Parts: sequence; structure tokens; C-alpha cells
Amino acid sequence: AQRVTQPEKLLSVFKGAPVELKCNYSYSGSPELFWYVQYSRQRLQLLLRHISRESIKGFTADLNKGETSFHLKKPFAQEEDSAMYYCALGGSNYKLTFGKGTLLTVNP
Amino acid sequence: DAEITQSPRHKITETGRQVTLACHQTWNHNNMFWYRQDLGHGLRLIHYSYGVHDTNKGEVSDGYSVSRSNTEDLPLTLESAASSQTSVYFCASSGSGGLGETQYFGPGTRLLVL
Repeated sequence: AQRVTQPEKLLSVFKGAPVELKCNYSYSGSPELFWYVQYSRQRLQLLLRHISRESIKGFTADLNKGETSFHLKKPFAQEEDSAMYYCALGGSNYKLTFGKGTLLTVNP
Repeated sequence: DAEITQSPRHKITETGRQVTLACHQTWNHNNMFWYRQDLGHGLRLIHYSYGVHDTNKGEVSDGYSVSRSNTEDLPLTLESAASSQTSVYFCASSGSGGLGETQYFGPGTRLLVL
């Protein structure tokens, strides 16, 4: 069965500090991992996906198959990064399994 | 520009009433999904469709139904609304190109069942 775990419901950091949002997954096949972001009262939008190996808004995430993790990192957090972040796992059937989300607050 | 829309954006209804939430996408995507978002649960899949006349149950499908008569629309019906169905509902769509297909989300519908 597919499962995504985001151990932190809430994460609070100061502006300029590094931030890491944790994501662990359970999947028997070859995983597709995504990070989605939801700013206050807005729709979810894709932040990045592991297959693209890209950096969006200064965020990066590396798939670690040995640790079954896909942690999201940013070296210097900005206030506009405050949002709900969801890690999601996709399989071969186009469905996504979402974690429960981490609410990131970046304090001035 | 292609988009995905939902209506209504806000809905208040009474227990026992039938409610239909609309979802319309102009991406020409085959795949469409309905989720509900609740604090402490994240997003949970209600129903999904891979194309016209195809529908499938997700992990929390009890009390909900969908139908797919064309590519653009996947309406979600609550047969007899219950207070436990108070939630924010998101519709999403994606293509069928293979690995890493992105799901595009609608703006959401806030439903309150009294």
C-alpha cells in the first residue's frame, strides 16, 4: 500500500533561516514524488517533482530511495514561503497519495 | 489559457439534502479527481475518472457519487448530505502522458452541512 508521512504538522522558522520539511514514503514500486504548496485560501499548486530535478522558488528536494525520503529544503526562508506544504506519491495509475501536510510559518 | 474551475465556491446546505458540486476543466485531460481536505487528514481521494463513462471509488467514497458524460466535467454528488461531509472539496485533472504527470487543482468548494 502507498503511504506518505509528513511528521511535522507545524513548522515555524525565522526569515533567513534554513528550512527542511520532511517527507517519508512507503511504496513497493518505482515512486514518483511531488511537493505541492497551498498559500492561504488558494488552490494547491505544484511546487516541484523529483523527476524534473529542478529548483523552484529556491526549494529543492532529493529523492533518497534508501531512506525512502523526499525532504523539501530551502537555505534561506522568506516570509512569502509561509504556506501549507503537501508531499505526494504517485504510482503508475495517475493517482496521488498525499501526506497530511506541514504548515510552514516564516516569522519576520 | 486552459483552466479548471469549480462551482459553487461556497455552499451551505441541510442534512439530508442532495448536493452537486461542479468541476469543469479545459485542459482536455483524461484524468479527473475529487478530493476532500480536512484538518489533520490532508487530502483524501473521493472518486476519480480516467475518461468518459469511467468512474472509480477512492478511499473515502461512501456517500458520494460521480458521473463522467464528457471530457470536461466531473460533477460530484452528495446523495444525502451529512454533517461529516462538511469540508473543502477540490477537483483536479491530469494528462495521461506517463511518469510525473502533474495534477492541476481547482480553487475548491467550501461546503457546510448544517
